[in-house]
Amino acid sequence: GAGVSQSPSNKVTEKGKDVELRCDPISGHTALYWYRQSLGQGLEFLIYFQGNSAPDKSGLPSDRFSAERTGGSVSTLTIQRTQQEDSAVYLCASSARDRGNYNEQFFGPGTRLTVL
Amino acid sequence: AQSVTQLGSHVSVSEGALVLLRCNYSSSVPPYLFWYVQYPNQGLQLLLKYTTGATLVKGINGFEAEFKKSETSFHLTKPSAHMSDAAEYFCAVLSGGYQKVTFGTGTKLQVIP
Repeated sequence: GAGVSQSPSNKVTEKGKDVELRCDPISGHTALYWYRQSLGQGLEFLIYFQGNSAPDKSGLPSDRFSAERTGGSVSTLTIQRTQQEDSAVYLCASSARDRGNYNEQFFGPGTRLTVL
Repeated sequence: AQSVTQLGSHVSVSEGALVLLRCNYSSSVPPYLFWYVQYPNQGLQLLLKYTTGATLVKGINGFEAEFKKSETSFHLTKPSAHMSDAAEYFCAVLSGGYQKVTFGTGTKLQVIP
């Protein structure tokens, strides 16, 4: 079946503009995660969804960042008033459930955001 | 709190040589440990994982890793490197009640013909 998809694959924007990044998880996966991958800094956890709720938003770097998930499926990460330091690859992952034994997180190909 | 340290941001090996990528973790509870691989312009793919049981874990593409509690290590090895192994490798740890995974900063593996 289809894997995790993300759109757009690349986004170039001007400083101060808002951007929306989209993630389509694997069908039936209830858990969804957003990470940010910056050059030389590995993967930084941003936010975790279980269904439509976000029990852990601790990784969002500022109040310019927000995310939502609707219908237990598609998620959108929104960055308002983008800054150059927001330039990174934003990765989305999904997994079957969040309780009990670990369930593998399947990653999308990412969205490369460049803020000029 | 949990953390992961990967020693060496870049590792170069000759084709056919042993691959050794180092990972040390910190966790206050028994951890789940993972290695992921990322090929250029692609997402992350799970190579292998340790949850419980046997401490030597075998993964895809001939890779394996050994969980050593006394050393808090989970180094990744492969006996003979292939050109196709060139990629970035991430060690990760999960501990606690839910599936928040903490990643290391990654090691880029270069395979020299």
